[in-house]
Amino acid sequence: GAVVSQHPSWVICKSGTSVKIECRSLDFQATTMFWYRQFPKQSLMLMATSNEGSKATYEQGVEKDKFLINHASLTLSTLTVTSAHPEDSSFYICSARKQLAEETQYFGPGTRLLVL
Amino acid sequence: GNSVTQMEGPVTLSEEAFLTINCTYTATGYPSLFWYVQYPGEGLQLLLKATKADDKGSNKGFEATYRKETTSFHLEKGSVQVSDSAVYFCALNYGGSQGNLIFGKGTKLSVKP
Repeated sequence: GAVVSQHPSWVICKSGTSVKIECRSLDFQATTMFWYRQFPKQSLMLMATSNEGSKATYEQGVEKDKFLINHASLTLSTLTVTSAHPEDSSFYICSARKQLAEETQYFGPGTRLLVL
Repeated sequence: GNSVTQMEGPVTLSEEAFLTINCTYTATGYPSLFWYVQYPGEGLQLLLKATKADDKGSNKGFEATYRKETTSFHLEKGSVQVSDSAVYFCALNYGGSQGNLIFGKGTKLSVKP
């Protein structure tokens, strides 16, 4: 299998607080993990790519100081939205690749963030 | 650059109807092609994929054939069910295991009993 989990599945927070979202590969080691953002009724927008033990590569227009990504192990990546504001409210989805030679991405169930 | 174009939705069908969702791509070289499905409130699930020209991906009654000559990867199912109601995303991956997925905008399918 190739199961990816995310926690929490949804979170509501006050403006100005920071929120951490975890992405775990449950039955495989993920050499590369990806973080996407999805607005209502729209497609997925790639935010960043992270490889275990190295700094994440952010897509153009994504603030790396606001969206902190850590990929500390082969089964865990975290996305921290720092000083969240209402415009950060969105659906955040992570994905993972099983190993270096494989291109298929396996997606987590997503985390819905609402910033009040 | 690389891009994916899907037919605009929403698509509404009756149960047991035939489904086609068109997908065409633009890419230099030979990307791999994917269909992902997103059920309400959930993340994406890989539905099927094809890695080279003339390959046919299939799963759960869905099929798509990688057509290099028409740069297409249309999704088909002979008889849809209410449970197939979801958003379907066509995507390409260029660059192998170092590449990123490029998604189409998604097509919402609603199947009525």
